Amino acid sequence: EVQLVETGGGLVQPGKSLKLTCATSGFTFSNAWMHWVRQSPEKQLEWVAQIKAKSNNYATYYAESVKGRFTISRDDSKSSVYLQMNSLKEEDTAIYYCGLRLAYWGQGTLVTVSS
Amino acid sequence: DIQMTQSPPSLSASLGETVSIECRASEDIYSNLAWYQQKSGKSPQLLIYYASSLQDGVPSRFSGSGSGTQYSLKISGMQPEDEGVYYCLQGSKYPLTFGSGTKLEIK
Repeated sequence: EVQLVETGGGLVQPGKSLKLTCATSGFTFSNAWMHWVRQSPEKQLEWVAQIKAKSNNYATYYAESVKGRFTISRDDSKSSVYLQMNSLKEEDTAIYYCGLRLAYWGQGTLVTVSS
Repeated sequence: DIQMTQSPPSLSASLGETVSIECRASEDIYSNLAWYQQKSGKSPQLLIYYASSLQDGVPSRFSGSGSGTQYSLKISGMQPEDEGVYYCLQGSKYPLTFGSGTKLEIK
C-alpha cells in the first residue's frame, strides 16, 4: 500500500524558513517522480514543485511563485522527499501535500506564515 | 502558463442524476488532464487520468472525455458519497495548473 506522510509544518514568521519532509513507503521510491502541491485557505490547489528520479538526473521544476525561494530534494536511501522553504511570505500559508506522480497524495501538513 | 477554466463553480444534483463538469484549457493539452475528488478534510483523490482513463478502484459511474482544449467529467447516477469538490489538472506543460474547482452537493 502506498503511504505518504508529510511532516514539518507549523507557524512561522514572514522571512523565516521551514523544511517539510514526506516519508514514503509501499512503492519503489528511487524510480518515482515526486511532487509538492499546496492548497490555500481559499481551497485553491497550486502545484509547487516536482523532482524526477536519478535516471532523469533528479531534474527539478518549480512554480514561478516559489522559484528561488523553495528547493525540492530527495533522499532515495530514506524514501523521502523534502521541501526547503526560505523567505516565507504570508501568501505561502497553505496545506502542503506531497504526491507520487500526483496519483497518490499524503494527508498534508499545514504551514502558517504570520507575524 | 496554461489557464484551466473550470465550470460550473458549484452544482446541486439529485440522487441518480447525471452530472457533468467541464474544464477548458487555454491551449491544447493533448489529453494530459486529470480529475480529482476532494472530500471535506481529506486530500484530493485521483479519479481520471489522461482525460479518460479510470483510476483503479474508482466506480465506473465516473467517466472522462475530451481532447484538445475541452474536457469533461461525467458522473452517471449521483450517489451521496459523490459530494465534494472536483478539480481538473493539466499535466501537459510546466507549471502544472489546476482548475478552480466545482463544489458538488446533493439536492
